[in-house]
Amino acid sequence: AQSVTQLDSQVPVFEEAPVELRCNYSSSVSVYLFWYVQYPNQGLQLLLKYLSGSTLVKGINGFEAEFNKSQTSFHLRKPSVHISDTAEYFCAVSERHGNKLVFGAGTILRVKS
Amino acid sequence: AAGVIQSPRHLIKEKRETATLKCYPIPRHDTVYWYQQGPGQDPQFLISFYEKMQSDKGSIPDRFSAQQFSDYHSELNMSSLELGDSALYFCASSLRSVGRLSYEQYFGPGTRLTVT
Repeated sequence: AQSVTQLDSQVPVFEEAPVELRCNYSSSVSVYLFWYVQYPNQGLQLLLKYLSGSTLVKGINGFEAEFNKSQTSFHLRKPSVHISDTAEYFCAVSERHGNKLVFGAGTILRVKS
Repeated sequence: AAGVIQSPRHLIKEKRETATLKCYPIPRHDTVYWYQQGPGQDPQFLISFYEKMQSDKGSIPDRFSAQQFSDYHSELNMSSLELGDSALYFCASSLRSVGRLSYEQYFGPGTRLTVT
């Protein structure tokens, strides 16, 4: 069975500062990795995904994430955040031979002016 | 582009009542997933369907049932509702390529169920 740990429940950051949201996972099989964003009272929007190949993946809205197999991590980063990035971010994994998503507990990113 | 449609968006029911949530996947998507997100919680997988057959089952209570119809839309039926069933219910859809399992799920806006 897989599990996902998001180490920070809330991350406050000033506008235009860089940010990193941490995600670690555990699984006995190879996995696909995802980051989703959820704005208040809205659904989940896919930010980016890692399936295979290059360990650095780029997503929408200037976000990127790096897959580190040895550390079983998939941290999300953005070099300069905007007020509009304020939302909850979920890291998720899916087994390569299954397809349900297992989510982390989420990290609330609060961007302050 | 067309997205996943869920109806209703909001639903208020009393304890012990029943509720039916509907999900219309993205056109040509053949796989539907249901997730439950309690207040302040992460989404939890309930059940999924591929080509109208149940493909995986998660932490779905026995009081809940679901199915996928010939037009690929899905319905989640919930009976004997309890206060703890109050949550946001998401449907997601994906497309399975021939010979491969799907990996990218597109989520609908969710149905917010409140049980009083």
